[in-house]
Amino acid sequence: NAGVTQTPKFQVLKTGQSMTLQCAQDMNHNSMYWYRQDPGMGLRLIYYSASEGTTDKGEVPNGYNVSRLNKREFSLRLESAAPSQTSVYFCAVGDSYSNQPQHFGDGTRLSIL
Amino acid sequence: AQSVTQPDIHITVSEGASLELRCNYSYGATPYLFWYVQSPGQGLQLLLKYFSGDTLVQGIKGFEAEFKRSQSSFNLRKPSVHWSDAAEYFCAVGSNDYKLSFGAGTTVTVRA
Repeated sequence: NAGVTQTPKFQVLKTGQSMTLQCAQDMNHNSMYWYRQDPGMGLRLIYYSASEGTTDKGEVPNGYNVSRLNKREFSLRLESAAPSQTSVYFCAVGDSYSNQPQHFGDGTRLSIL
Repeated sequence: AQSVTQPDIHITVSEGASLELRCNYSYGATPYLFWYVQSPGQGLQLLLKYFSGDTLVQGIKGFEAEFKRSQSSFNLRKPSVHWSDAAEYFCAVGSNDYKLSFGAGTTVTVRA
């Protein structure tokens, strides 16, 4: 998906380590989102950013922080990783009409030991 | 609180046969409704969406969905399935408030 790029694609961490997941878009959309996907649970919203400079909590924000430095980039940070944060993380972007995700990246598969 | 139920965890269908995936939602007002498809190892791709107007919505890849307010449903259909339609399908509900709720997904297997 050339429109939404996530890095890295895979990562293994030890409990207590920190890391930042990066997301960049070239679609010029205002809203950006971070979701986590766990088996049998669909996708759950962690944080979203309605526009550059704003961020808000979603359904499962605990243990995460985000940063929307500019219109293109929206990063997700795990300050002290826990095994419960093992998941697949998706970044998405959305248009201004629906204010909902329209395009997704390919995901970051994160394992925490 | 809004929620989505996809009653079928897994569906197997023969290539060329029709497909219908069920989606029931709970929402206080007129919802925005979405269907997404996810192939293994990939992100989600938007198939179609309903905001208002005609309750029969056409999407990409030959899919359509019908919004039935009286039944709180938004079922996805395809008349003739191709092997490439094997994937996981997610229904989602929300409004224009950035907070979309997803169902748990239905996995579709296509047999030759």
